[in-house]
Order: sequence, then C-alpha cells, then structure tokens
Amino acid sequence: EIVLTQSPATLSLSPGERATLSCRASQSIVSYLAWYQQKPGQAPRLLIYDASNRATGIPARFSGSGSGTDFTLTISSLEPEDFAVYYCQQRSDGLTFGGGTKVEIK
Amino acid sequence: QVLLVQSGAEVKKPGASVRVSCKASGYMFTDYTMHWVRQAPGQNFEWMGWINIGNGNTKHSQKFQGRVTISRDASARIAYMDLSSLRSEDTAVYYCARDRGEYNWNYGTFDYWGQGTLVTVSS
Repeated sequence: EIVLTQSPATLSLSPGERATLSCRASQSIVSYLAWYQQKPGQAPRLLIYDASNRATGIPARFSGSGSGTDFTLTISSLEPEDFAVYYCQQRSDGLTFGGGTKVEIK
Repeated sequence: QVLLVQSGAEVKKPGASVRVSCKASGYMFTDYTMHWVRQAPGQNFEWMGWINIGNGNTKHSQKFQGRVTISRDASARIAYMDLSSLRSEDTAVYYCARDRGEYNWNYGTFDYWGQGTLVTVSS
C-alpha cells in the first residue's frame, strides 16, 4: 500500500500569509495526487487533481505542484475561510489518503 | 447542482449490519462511478469500494472483503453501502463520493461528496 505522509501536522499562520503544505509518497505516484479541504462537520472538497489542476470553482490562490514522490499545495494568501484541514490522496496504486495538515489561525 | 444526500446516523450493536444510502441529484446518475470512503475518529480516510453505476460492477478494498456490499438502484438514483459483522472499530463517518471520471471511467478522484453518515457501533 502506498503511504502518504503530510507535513507539517499543523501550520499556524495569519490571514494574508502564504501556506505551503507537503505530501510525500512512499513510492512514485507520477502525478496521480489530489488535494482536499475539510472544515469541521463538513465533507471534504476537491481542490486539486492530478497534482496541479484546480477543480471547478476553486480560487486561483490554491495551486499544486510536484511529481514522483514529493508534492506541494500552496495557498498564496490565506483568506479567513481557508483555515481548515487539508488532505492529499493518491490514485496511482489503490486509493489512499494522507493524515492531513491543519491550517490554523495564528 | 450536484448533490449527494446520505441517510441519517445509525447506532448498531457489535455483530449487526448497517445500510447507508446516498441519493444523487443534479447530474446523469448512470454516467459516474460512486465510491464509499470512511473516516474513523483519529484515523485517516479509508477507501472502501466503488460501484459502476451504469453496469453495477463493484470493487472492494481487500480489508472489507466479505463484509461490504455496494449496490445501486439506478431508477431511484440511490447508491447503497452495506457493512456486516460490525465491530467497534467500524465506528466512523461514512461518505459516498462521486468519481470525477465521466462515463464511468474510474478516475480515482472524488469531486462531490455526501454529507457523511455517522455509524456508531457500541454494545
């Protein structure tokens, strides 16, 4: 099973700051990685698919990059509604998720 | 707009079975694969299986082999997930999630999710 490791576990930032979240795969997953945002009590929302493609309706401040085993989700300037937990998920071999990064208000 | 509405919370005893339903609207139901994913307290999301809504073919995670049954009623636009022989470790929020691949091309990425159904297994 491909293991996805997200870091950091928690990111404390202020609105307007840049957020950089990491997801590392235990083996190459090419570009078969998605990112989701989840707020308390809500279902996840797809942000990015295939490493760098924004899903429908996702603001341009969200961007994804990476290939192989190392991936990054960047939020260029945090808005108040962006404070949430972010998960990565791979589809290269089976379907597995990372443990999440919580972006909290500093 | 695409909407997936799941059935309500359930409390079950160990050894029992549970059925969670997922009613879809806002798109051609038979054109997209539906997945089931769960999130146990303090655990990662865990993929359970999928169903090709068009032809009814299914695939399950090995972890749930023999315990999970995924089905659909295409005319009613509802997908179902049945989990049997429940144990305390099955306490989780269960989600249906639409695959983003059109025409039942199993893309493995989830573009719309249901609101989640909490299943609590307790004696």
